[in-house]
Order: sequence, then structure tokens, then C-alpha cells
Amino acid sequence: GQNIDQPTEMTATEGAIVQINCTYQTSGFNGLFWYQQHAGEAPTFLSYNVLDGLEEKGRFSSFLSRSKGYSYLLLKELQMKDSASYLCAVRDSDYKLSFGAGTTVTVRA
Amino acid sequence: IAGITQAPTSQILAAGRRMTLRCTQDMRHNAMYWYRQDLGLGLRLIHYSNTAGTTGKGEVPDGYSVSRANTDDFPLTLASAVPSQTSVYFCASSDRYTGELFFGEGSRLTVL
Repeated sequence: GQNIDQPTEMTATEGAIVQINCTYQTSGFNGLFWYQQHAGEAPTFLSYNVLDGLEEKGRFSSFLSRSKGYSYLLLKELQMKDSASYLCAVRDSDYKLSFGAGTTVTVRA
Repeated sequence: IAGITQAPTSQILAAGRRMTLRCTQDMRHNAMYWYRQDLGLGLRLIHYSNTAGTTGKGEVPDGYSVSRANTDDFPLTLASAVPSQTSVYFCASSDRYTGELFFGEGSRLTVL
């Protein structure tokens, strides 16, 4: 099974940088995903890491260390529209995704 | 492109009633999933199907059943609804090898 931990809430100022950490314990690792979910909406895909290192996509970057069971999502140049829940998800060897409880990010003006 | 369609979007149901949540995808994805999302608990996998004709149990399967008669449809049935099944239900699909999940808009179910 999977055990995925991430902080419950984070608050940051518009234009700033926020880093959301995710630690996991898994019985079979086959990739780590980050999803964004606005209130009342479905989750949408942000990033995917299967090898160690940093993946950059515009203002969002995601890092993975498989040996440490650790990932982070970095949000740069925060905008008000980035206020949302960010979900860390781990894929197992049977291609199922297990999700953490999510981190609610609030961006203040 | 519709992607994934769920129905109904919202439903209030009396305890003990039978309910089927419908899910249809038009992306020809091999794998489909049902999750429930509850405040503070995140998304929890109920059942999944890696290909038409096969299904598997997820983290919280009790009280739910699924079928996968073809590639496009993956209905979730609550045989006898209970109040603890009050939740938002998301259907998702993925190409099995890329793994990215595409979600439907969700079905909000309230069991009284």
C-alpha cells in the first residue's frame, strides 16, 4: 500500500514562491504525480516524475528523490488563481494512483 | 471532445436505496477508476479496471460494485446506500502506460 504525507495548509503572498513537500512510503513505485484542484472542481494534471531530479514546466517545477521517498512542488511568481488544493499522488506497479490528502494553498494579495 | 462524462452531477438518496453512478469516456483509455473524495481524507480509490472485462478492488471497496463491459463505460453501483457513502465521487481514466489521470466533473451524492 501507499502512505503519502503532505502539509494540510500553506499561505503565501502574491508574487512569492511556495514549496509543497510530499513524502511517501510505497510497496511498488512507478511514478509520482502532482494535481491541482480548485474548490468544487475536478483535479487537473500538473506534473509527473518517474526519475530523480527536477522537472520544470513554466511557473511550476516538481522534484523527486526516490531513495528518500520525497517530492516537492514549487510554485513561482504566485498568482491569485493559484489558490487551490495541490494533490501528491503515487503510482504503484499495477498503475493505480494513490493520493495524499492534499495541501490547500491560499494566495494573499 | 467530451473526455469523461459522469451522471448524475448531484443526487440526494434515501438510505437503503440502490444507486448507479454512470461514467463514460471517449478517449479509448484502457484504465478507468472510481474515487471518492471526503474533506480531510483526499481521494480514495474505490474500484478500478485496467482493461475491459476486468476489475479490481481499491482502498475502500466495501458497499460498492463496478462492471466494465466495454472500453467506454464504467458504472459504479451502491447496492444499499448508507449515510457514510455521502461523498463526491470522481470517475477517471488513463492510458495505462502514461498514467496521467483525466477526471470527470464529479457526482455529489448525499445519503439521508
